[in-house]
Amino acid sequence: EIVLTQSPGTLSLSPGERATLSCRASQSVSSSYLAWYQQKPGQAPRLLIYGASSRATGIPDRFSGSGSGTDFTLTISRLEPEDFAVYYCQQYGTALTFGGGTKVEIK
Amino acid sequence: EVQLVQSGAEVKKPGESLKISCKGSGYSFTSYWIGWVRQMPGKGLEWMGIIYPGDSDTRYSPSFQGQVTISADKSISTAYLQWSSLKASDTAMYYCASALDYGGIPSAFDYWGQGTLVTVSS
Repeated sequence: EIVLTQSPGTLSLSPGERATLSCRASQSVSSSYLAWYQQKPGQAPRLLIYGASSRATGIPDRFSGSGSGTDFTLTISRLEPEDFAVYYCQQYGTALTFGGGTKVEIK
Repeated sequence: EVQLVQSGAEVKKPGESLKISCKGSGYSFTSYWIGWVRQMPGKGLEWMGIIYPGDSDTRYSPSFQGQVTISADKSISTAYLQWSSLKASDTAMYYCASALDYGGIPSAFDYWGQGTLVTVSS
């Protein structure tokens, strides 16, 4: 089973700042089958990025994904108030697994 | 419009059985995978298993194999998650989500149900 480790656990930033979230896999993720989700309290997760770098429908371009192999990054270029949430990475190349999540909180 | 509508909240006692549902609409139900994801109170997302209603291909996370059963009835565009004997530790929110098929491999979960809260308490 591929284990995904997200860091940091919590990121404290101000609106307008840049957020960089990391997701590291215990082994190479097939064909960059790596996704990122956003979850706000009381809501279902929402798909942001798939295929490591493709934005899902309706996702603003301030969200971008990059990486391959075992190291992946989600970048939010300028944080908006609605971006403060928990973010999860997921690999879907070999079965499926989620990372533990990174909480982006207001500083 | 693609929608996944899950059945309502459940309160059960340990040892009881339960089957929750996820009804898809607005797309070809047999052409997308339906996965189930657990979220325990205050915790992260855990993938439980997934089914392809077109041919009933079903895969489980090792952590949930033998603990739950996933099924689907394509005639009514509905997927199910069931337990034969609930435990207090099954208390959680359960989400269903759909994924495109990449030649036998499910893609990312692009649509999600609203979640079903299951509470198991004596």
